[in-house]
Amino acid sequence: AQSVAQPEDQVNVAEGNPLTVKCTYSVSGNPYLFWYVQYPNRGLQFLLKYITGDNLVKGSYGFEAEFNKSQTSFHLKKPSALVSDSALYFCAVRLTGYSTLTFGKGTMLLVSP
Amino acid sequence: SQTIHQWPATLVQPVGSPLSLECTVEGTSNPNLYWYRQAAGRGLQLLFYSVGIGQISSEVPQNLSASRPQDRQFILSSKKLLLSDSGFYLCAWIKSATSTDTQYFGPGTRLTVL
Repeated sequence: AQSVAQPEDQVNVAEGNPLTVKCTYSVSGNPYLFWYVQYPNRGLQFLLKYITGDNLVKGSYGFEAEFNKSQTSFHLKKPSALVSDSALYFCAVRLTGYSTLTFGKGTMLLVSP
Repeated sequence: SQTIHQWPATLVQPVGSPLSLECTVEGTSNPNLYWYRQAAGRGLQLLFYSVGIGQISSEVPQNLSASRPQDRQFILSSKKLLLSDSGFYLCAWIKSATSTDTQYFGPGTRLTVL
């Protein structure tokens, strides 16, 4: 069985500072890893994914994530946070050959002015 | 380009009433389709998924059912709603399980059962 852990319920950061939202995973095969963002009363928006290749993945809105196989982590990062980045962030994993996603419980990011 | 729609956007229903939520996808054929529920603005629970017309897999036994009457239409139903059915229902699609494609989500339906 696969699982995803997002150890922080909430991350607080000041505007202009770098941000990190943590994600670790557990799977028995090769994973596909995803980050989504959700604004209030909206569906999930895709940010970025790791399939294979370069461990540093760049995505939408200046976000990036680093795949670390030895630590089974896929942390989301941004060099300079914006107030508009405040939202709920989900990490998800999918096994090769399967379409269902397993999600973490989500991390609320609050960026203060 | 592909688009996913959900209808209605919000719904308030009394306990014991029936439910029908609709999801449609445009711009693709034979997608895999999913229904999720999100309670209390947090974690996502996969309810059903479908790999083709008439093919439904249930992940969690409960008061809900799903149907796929057409290739790009996915319906979530209930005969009698419970208070615990309240939540934010999200439909999603992916082109194929064997591809590296992304799962994309619809705008969601906010269901309140009173």
